[in-house]
Amino acid sequence: GQNIDQPTEMTATEGAIVQINCTYQTSGFNGLFWYQQHAGEAPTFLSYNVLDGLEEKGRFSSFLSRSKGYSYLLLKELQMKDSASYLCAVMDSNYQLIWGAGTKLIIKP
Amino acid sequence: ETGVTQTPRHLVMGMTNKKSLKCEQHLGHNAMYWYKQSAKKPLELMFVYSLEERVENNSVPSRFSPECPNSSHLFLHLHTLQPEDSALYLCASSRGTAHTDTQYFGPGTRLTVL
Repeated sequence: GQNIDQPTEMTATEGAIVQINCTYQTSGFNGLFWYQQHAGEAPTFLSYNVLDGLEEKGRFSSFLSRSKGYSYLLLKELQMKDSASYLCAVMDSNYQLIWGAGTKLIIKP
Repeated sequence: ETGVTQTPRHLVMGMTNKKSLKCEQHLGHNAMYWYKQSAKKPLELMFVYSLEERVENNSVPSRFSPECPNSSHLFLHLHTLQPEDSALYLCASSRGTAHTDTQYFGPGTRLTVL
């Protein structure tokens, strides 16, 4: 079966760095997405990785290793507004998005 | 503002009611999606429409009936739902269904079935 694993919840301190991991087992691979979802709001697109390596976008970076079926989202200089759920999703060989359950990130002052 | 709107934002209905959820996208996209999001569970893809044709129906019970009258509007008609259908229903759109086409989500309808 197809599976996306990510931690249920993480806690970090304002100003610090946090890494949210995602491992996947899917039938085929056509890219990995990270979305941010604040409570009661729509998921919003953060990043897309299809090749191995690190993609940096401001305070957020996303890393992919296709051979290991592994990705992480790195958030630097954490702000209180970064408190949200972070969703990992992989597009399989049928171009269907397979979603993880999301990681709830709690930022403390 | 993501360009995808959903109404109503909250809905409470009895098991014998009939109601409809509405989604509208203002992004000029050709593909639209319905997802179900339950607490602490992955997003479940329900339906996909591309150019107003249904291209995906993931074994969704017939008490959920989608309608896509044009590329900007998507409806989800609800009939004789069960309490376990209570969830957040998210609509999304994308330029197409290719792997590089990012999906943009609406804020969702929080549905409670009594």
